[in-house]
Amino acid sequence: DAGVTQSPTHLIKTRGQQVTLRCSPKSGHDTVSWYQQALGQGPQFIFQYYEEEERQRGNFPDRFSGHQFPNYSSELNVNALLLGDSALYLCASSLRSLGAYGYTFGSGTRLTVV
Amino acid sequence: SQQGEEDPQALSIQEGENATMNCSYKTSINNLQWYRQNSGRGLVHLILIRSNEREKHSGRLRVTLDTSKKSSSLLITASRAADTASYFCATDLLTGANSKLTFGKGITLSVRP
Repeated sequence: DAGVTQSPTHLIKTRGQQVTLRCSPKSGHDTVSWYQQALGQGPQFIFQYYEEEERQRGNFPDRFSGHQFPNYSSELNVNALLLGDSALYLCASSLRSLGAYGYTFGSGTRLTVV
Repeated sequence: SQQGEEDPQALSIQEGENATMNCSYKTSINNLQWYRQNSGRGLVHLILIRSNEREKHSGRLRVTLDTSKKSSSLLITASRAADTASYFCATDLLTGANSKLTFGKGITLSVRP
């Protein structure tokens, strides 16, 4: 039973560029949440997707957007990259009916903006 | 903003000793969870304690929750070098569909062989 799969594992982008990160949830899960973890900090909630709609959003600018597909996989898009966007981006999947009781995290995508 | 604050920020112990990590939070919660992270990679769920529970055990882990003091502690007994990692507490404020986790800044645990 595959867990949460994130791609790519590492990424280097130039300031001002756009980036797309991908997440495949654990089998049976229907909800995907994205977190940003800066170096030395705890993960910060970006947004959550369920039934292909953004259901909750943290304190992140509109440059951060997402999408969920019918197969429950998800993408995180960041436009106009800033140096401060350099971080580990974590995807967590869950079953909506269980809420936060059944979170499974992926290994993350390390984004470096230069 | 971060709901939880872990204490201490860093902890270094000898293999075989016990490690105690604390977490304080600010608002009422539905549940509190502890996660481990190795070398800046993915988070591994360790244990969850509900707001109406006071203590839970899982193998070498013991977690306590004091809702009156808005604090939790994680005890790792008989530590091993493999326990070296960062540990985070995360609070869940709401139930069901509106659940989301709010993490603290983490504790770096080093277990010396």
